[in-house]
Amino acid sequence: AQSVTQLDSQVPVFEEAPVELRCNYSSSVSVYLFWYVQYPNQGLQLLLKYLSGSTLVKGINGFEAEFNKSQTSFHLRKPSVHISDTAEYFCAVSEEGRRALTFGSGTRLQVQP
Amino acid sequence: EPEVTQTPSHQVTQMGQEVILRCVPISNHLYFYWYRQILGQKVEFLVSFYNNEISEKSEIFDDQFSVERPDGSNFTLKIRSTKLEDSAMYFCASSPGTLNTGELFFGEGSRLTVL
Repeated sequence: AQSVTQLDSQVPVFEEAPVELRCNYSSSVSVYLFWYVQYPNQGLQLLLKYLSGSTLVKGINGFEAEFNKSQTSFHLRKPSVHISDTAEYFCAVSEEGRRALTFGSGTRLQVQP
Repeated sequence: EPEVTQTPSHQVTQMGQEVILRCVPISNHLYFYWYRQILGQKVEFLVSFYNNEISEKSEIFDDQFSVERPDGSNFTLKIRSTKLEDSAMYFCASSPGTLNTGELFFGEGSRLTVL
C-alpha cells in the first residue's frame, strides 16, 4: 500500500518570498502524484499532477513541483508567494491502474504581509 | 464553470441515527467518489462508483456505509447507524471519462457531527 508524508504541518512565509512544501511518498508500484489546494470554506482543487514524462511539472497560480524518483519526493515550490496563496496544500498519490487517492496530512501555508 | 455540489453543508445527528449525504456530480462525469476528513486528520478515501456499482472501496467503508445513484444526477452516501467516530467532513468528488488522470473535482464538503 502507498503512503504520503508531508513533514510540515504549517509553513509561515512572508509575501513575495519563495516557498517549498515537502512531500514524500512510498509505494511498491508506479504512482501518479498530485498536489491539491483547499482554500478556506472550499473544496479541494487540483494544483498540478505528474503522470509521466518531464519530472518538472507546472501548475496553476505559478506553482511547480519536481518528481524525484530516487528520493521518492514530489516537493511543491513557488518562487514568490502572495497573500492569496494562504491555504491548505495536500499531496496525494494514486497507484497506476487505481483511482483511489491517498492523501498526505496537509500543509497549511500562511502568507504574511 | 460546472461544479460538484453537496448538501447539507452541516448536519448534526444523534448517535445511532441514519444519515444521508447528497452530492450532485458534474453532469458528464462518469466516476464518483466519497472521501472523508476527520478533524485534524488526513483526507481518506471511502469509495468510488462507476457504471452504477462500487468500483473500489477502502477498509473504512464497512457495512454501515452505502452509496447510491438513485436518479442519474444525485450520488448519495448513507450511514445506517452513526457512531461518534463518524463525525467528519465528507467530500464528494467526480471525474470524467475512463482515462485515469487523477484529477478529481471536489465539492465543498458536508460536515457531519454525531452527538
